[in-house]
Amino acid sequence: GQQLNQSPQSMFIQEGEDVSMNCTSSSIFNTWLWYKQDPGEGPVLLIALYKAGELTSNGRLTAQFGITRKDSFLNISASIPSDVGIYFCAGLPPSSNTGKLIFGQGTTLQVKP
Amino acid sequence: NAGVMQNPRHLVRRRGQEARLRCSPMKGHSHVYWYRQLPEEGLKFMVYLQKENIIDESGMPKERFSAEFPKEGPSILRIQQVVRGDSAAYFCASSPGGTTTGELFFGEGSRLTVL
Repeated sequence: GQQLNQSPQSMFIQEGEDVSMNCTSSSIFNTWLWYKQDPGEGPVLLIALYKAGELTSNGRLTAQFGITRKDSFLNISASIPSDVGIYFCAGLPPSSNTGKLIFGQGTTLQVKP
Repeated sequence: NAGVMQNPRHLVRRRGQEARLRCSPMKGHSHVYWYRQLPEEGLKFMVYLQKENIIDESGMPKERFSAEFPKEGPSILRIQQVVRGDSAAYFCASSPGGTTTGELFFGEGSRLTVL
């Protein structure tokens, strides 16, 4: 089945630093999404991307849908302690019209004040 | 303004017992999805339901697992004769229609521990 490779697996950074994480796949996706999961909670949608090449921002977050449709990245600028959590990329395959998302393994972000 | 509601939040079962997890979608949403998250992993799709219909159950294990979304009441994910490997967080998500955008609203999850 389709898989997403997300990297890095974890990051430990200083408050104020910028962060970058990415997701790659051997197959194309129609939609890329980035979710954040706080401990003990469910994932919350951060950004959704629908077109190859699309660059979208949400506050300090910026994400891009790769032009090959096989990758996406998420940048967080000027990190703050509340950015701590697990960030997941997710893709919607072309064959899916049922919300059957494929999730990456997650990037655990820790921010040192 | 309730979001997706799941209960119980935590459930402990002994091997061989049954687990029932409930999910009430967001108001106005008629489509429900169940995902499973094993420790240190991402979410894996299990099943997609509309009221009284299972649309896609390709992610459901062939045995012991079943799901329903009755005309009235919450969606139920049922696991019979639980084993230790069933220990995981089970998340429900909902959408207003059969989403082609992938934008799902997740509940806080039900964490099953099998002793």
